[in-house]
Amino acid sequence: GAGVSQSPSNKVTEKGKDVELRCDPISGHTALYWYRQRLGQGLEFLIYFQGNSAPDKSGLPSDRFSAERTGESVSTLTIQRTQQEDSAVYLCASSLVGSGTDTQYFGPGTRLTVL
Amino acid sequence: AQKITQTQPGMFVQEKEAVTLDCTYDTSDPSYGLFWYKQPSSGEMIFLIYQGSYDQQNATEGRYSLNFQKARKSANLVISASQLGDSAMYFCAMREGHTGGFKTIFGAGTRLFVKA
Repeated sequence: GAGVSQSPSNKVTEKGKDVELRCDPISGHTALYWYRQRLGQGLEFLIYFQGNSAPDKSGLPSDRFSAERTGESVSTLTIQRTQQEDSAVYLCASSLVGSGTDTQYFGPGTRLTVL
Repeated sequence: AQKITQTQPGMFVQEKEAVTLDCTYDTSDPSYGLFWYKQPSSGEMIFLIYQGSYDQQNATEGRYSLNFQKARKSANLVISASQLGDSAMYFCAMREGHTGGFKTIFGAGTRLFVKA
């Protein structure tokens, strides 16, 4: 079946503007994760959703960052008043809870550049 | 405190030889999962192998095996018979808690270069 998809693949914005990044998880996956990866660095956890439970927002770096998920489908990550340090690749992953390993499968990412 | 440590920023290996990528972790949770991912220059994250904390045997997936030493809290990835296509970044990750999508922490990664 289809993998995790993300849109847009690239986003260039001006400092101070808001951006929305979209993630479509694998159908049937109950858990969804957002990560940030700065150039040459590892993955930084941002937020995860699991079913109808309250999301774990512990990784969001500031209140400019927020995310929503409708049921077990699409999620959007919103960054308000973007700053140059927000430039990074934003990766989304989904997993099937209860599958034994709960392996996360990743989308191709959105490369965000803040000018 | 660093929960996942990958001490090798870069590694070189000759094609067809085996290579071990190091990973140590820190957790007080008795239930956890360990993952390795490969990230080629294209940027995609590719799942390689998984080891559960209660698994008795080391995980293997084709040319990949995980050398799990629980007492030492290490989960090294062994790639046998290296191929040029193995050149990539490799990330070790840990998920704490019972299966249920708990937060996953990634290491800083090791860049592997396979020489012809």
